[in-house]
Amino acid sequence: DIQMTQSPSSLSASAGDRVTITCRASQSISNYLNWYQQKPGKAPKLLIYAASSLQSGVPSRFSGSGSGTDFTLTISSLQPEDFATYYCQQSYSTPRTFGQGTKVEIK
Amino acid sequence: QLQLQESGPGLVKPSETLSLTCTVSGGSINSSSYYWGWIRQPPGKGLQCIGSIYYSGSSYYNPSLKSRVTISVDTSKNQFSLKLSSVTAADTAVYYCARTVLAAAERFDPWGQGTLVTVSS
Repeated sequence: DIQMTQSPSSLSASAGDRVTITCRASQSISNYLNWYQQKPGKAPKLLIYAASSLQSGVPSRFSGSGSGTDFTLTISSLQPEDFATYYCQQSYSTPRTFGQGTKVEIK
Repeated sequence: QLQLQESGPGLVKPSETLSLTCTVSGGSINSSSYYWGWIRQPPGKGLQCIGSIYYSGSSYYNPSLKSRVTISVDTSKNQFSLKLSSVTAADTAVYYCARTVLAAAERFDPWGQGTLVTVSS
């Protein structure tokens, strides 16, 4: 199985901050990388697919980059509704696997 | 707008079989562009893919669960189902169903709201 490792596991930030979350794959996955946002008690929501493509309806302050083994999710200006847990997921090989999550908390 | 809704018992006894159904509304499960999948999340933990099924019945299972999992599809009801046998407390989780989009990077979108299944006697 491909292991996905996110860093940091949690972070504290203020509204308006620029936030970057990193996801590293245990082997090259090209650009087969997706990002999800999960709020407490809710299902995950797709934000970014194919490493850098913004899902329809997702605010443009979210962006993704990377290829191979290293990927980033950036929130350009953190909004109150962005406090949540973020997961990366690879779709290069089966079984599809997720990172352990990064919790973004209010500072 | 496509919506998915999980249903099934919230409490299952150890060694028994967990059975859940996902009902798809606002779109047809009969599409060559999608698989239909199950993902679970133990309380306070991360996400694990269980498996997926195509409208034709072709399915894929996570090897770590394969010996205990069966996913089936009923196109007449626009539903797909999950059965997980010989459950233990480790199978306690929120179970989500989701559409698997087969384009570019395969991704899960949208998801059902999830249903908590507790394994306990």
